Amino acid sequence: SQQGEEDPQALSIQEGENATMNCSYKTSINNLQWYRQNSGRGLVHLILIRSNEREKHSGRLRVTLDTSKKSSSLLITASRAADTASYFCATFPYKLSFGAGTTVTVRA
Amino acid sequence: EAGVTQSPTHLIKTRGQQATLRCSPISGHTSVYWYQQALGLGLQFLLWYDEGEERNRGNFPPRFSGRQFPNYSSELNVNALELEDSALYLCASSLVRDSYNEQFFGPGTRLTVL
Repeated sequence: SQQGEEDPQALSIQEGENATMNCSYKTSINNLQWYRQNSGRGLVHLILIRSNEREKHSGRLRVTLDTSKKSSSLLITASRAADTASYFCATFPYKLSFGAGTTVTVRA
Repeated sequence: EAGVTQSPTHLIKTRGQQATLRCSPISGHTSVYWYQQALGLGLQFLLWYDEGEERNRGNFPPRFSGRQFPNYSSELNVNALELEDSALYLCASSLVRDSYNEQFFGPGTRLTVL
């Protein structure tokens, strides 16, 4: 079974709006990473948050981590058409374990 | 700096045949990971190689195997292909074994089993 599970499975928003997606995991982690995948192609690393961190920012991305709830959220602010992609959370240790992803569609 | 490369881009095989997929990591990266992404499913971890050794494998049957060469490139072999093996196979590399470092993914090989 996958360690990371994203929610919702799909999200459709208007350009300029914010997009929020969540990730839940089952066991203790060293870090949690978010990746983006465009059109069924390779994944691109977005951001890594360590288990002792609670929030992290990178450009228009904001990630939070709640280790007590074993959950993380990814917020994309001021979305653009280019943000249309599938987003995956991945947890470590041992090996990256991915969920099924959240598919985000940004409408112009 | 060149990224992770994979070949071939597409591969079409028939049931029962063998498939060989190749991956070249980013220069200097010693760890290579293989993932399977079937339609509608998340990425399933297949194999992890580091310094030429298999370090871990996912919940896949033994007909999924691979190796890592002295130059750190890697090969994934799938024997006795089944229809459900049709998927996008992604390779990733990282600098060190510790996954505090991110994994860099290749574009993938799309395997179709007819």
